[in-house]
Amino acid sequence: GIQVEQSPPDLILQEGANSTLRCNFSDSVNNLQWFHQNPWGQLINLFYIPSGTKQNGRLSATTVATERYSLLYISSSQTTDSGVYFCVTNAGGTSYGKLTFGQGTILTVHP
Amino acid sequence: DAGVTQSPTHLIKTRGQQVTLRCSPKSGHDTVSWYQQALGQGPQFIFQYYEEEERQRGNFPDRFSGHQFPNYSSELNVNALLLGDSALYLCASSSGQGDYGYTFGSGTRLTVV
Repeated sequence: GIQVEQSPPDLILQEGANSTLRCNFSDSVNNLQWFHQNPWGQLINLFYIPSGTKQNGRLSATTVATERYSLLYISSSQTTDSGVYFCVTNAGGTSYGKLTFGQGTILTVHP
Repeated sequence: DAGVTQSPTHLIKTRGQQVTLRCSPKSGHDTVSWYQQALGQGPQFIFQYYEEEERQRGNFPDRFSGHQFPNYSSELNVNALLLGDSALYLCASSSGQGDYGYTFGSGTRLTVV
């Protein structure tokens, strides 16, 4: 099946700093999403971005499908940004509906 | 508008026992997927139900089974529990028409002792 690798595995920031999270995937995809899991386990969808660039407030994401990677940018980080960020995809076809999660990037933002 | 509701929130079971977890999807969603998240790992796909049928299945043994009811709610059953089944079990609902727009519940934390 498709492999999803995220980097870095851990990231510690001071409030107000910017960061970039990266996701590499092993095969072409037609579905690429970024999720945030808060410390209480709730998963929230941030972006559905199989290609191109999207922005939502302080967060933005870019996927270059031809080069099989996606980036999540967090600007002016806040303590509420802490948690785990997952890159999620499937390879379509018979994998439709079967999401594959990366191992995640654990972000800690200190005040 | 209620999101995805899972019950119970926490559960402790003994090895060899059986457990049933429940999920009510978001209003307007008709597809339910189940995921297992071990500590420090990303969620792993167990199976997906649509129109009361199992549409997709991940690499989980037959001890893991499920059901979807006419009102789209779903149950996950695990038989002959092992210590390794201890995990956060997440339910996600979506519309059968697209492979995006997933809404996740807060999960059931299962501990097997």
